[in-house]
Amino acid sequence: NAGVTQTPKFQVLKTGQSMTLQCAQDMNHEYMSWYRQDPGMGLRLIHYSVGAGITDQGEVPNGYNVSRSTTEDFPLRLLSAAPSQTSVYFCASSRPGGSGELFFGEGSRLTVL
Amino acid sequence: RKEVEQDPGPFNVPEGATVAFNCTYSNSASQSFFWYRQDCRKEPKLLMSVYSSGNEDGRFTAQLNRASQYISLLIRDSKLSDSATYLCVVNYGQNFVFGPGTRLSVLP
Repeated sequence: NAGVTQTPKFQVLKTGQSMTLQCAQDMNHEYMSWYRQDPGMGLRLIHYSVGAGITDQGEVPNGYNVSRSTTEDFPLRLLSAAPSQTSVYFCASSRPGGSGELFFGEGSRLTVL
Repeated sequence: RKEVEQDPGPFNVPEGATVAFNCTYSNSASQSFFWYRQDCRKEPKLLMSVYSSGNEDGRFTAQLNRASQYISLLIRDSKLSDSATYLCVVNYGQNFVFGPGTRLSVLP
């Protein structure tokens, strides 16, 4: 069972570079989301999607874009990386309605120099 | 004020001890409640859901007080393997809101 797969696991960027964090799930979950985790801050929601073609902003969306062209994939794009985006990023999915268990990917550690 | 607040921790307890974690949430429209466990440098994983009547899973007991907007987690007979960060999670509408977590270290 693959569950939620995130790539890459580690990435170092220079300020101003762009990149995409990939997220795929094979559980046919409608709900997918991206979080960032910083020390002492807990997980903060960046963007989420309740189904293909539908996305919405979370608590900290600035500097990030998402799209949901298929049920399986939910990539997160950093448009112009900044040192403040240095963080650990987690993708998560859940059954319809968002009231069930969240399943997380293993995380992507991003450093922006 | 954060939407979900937890004991700041860390908690350092000896093996066999009983430890309790507290969590408060600010949104009275919250619908579902969970405790997640996160090991160092790993992804969070569901420990248990929290129901209004309280629920138990082995050594773990969760309580919810909707009137006080308060959630608790009790761990009895702590094991070394319980060492982790415990995240209080609240769901309303489409979203899950995470507390900052409380770190537990169980010492031999």
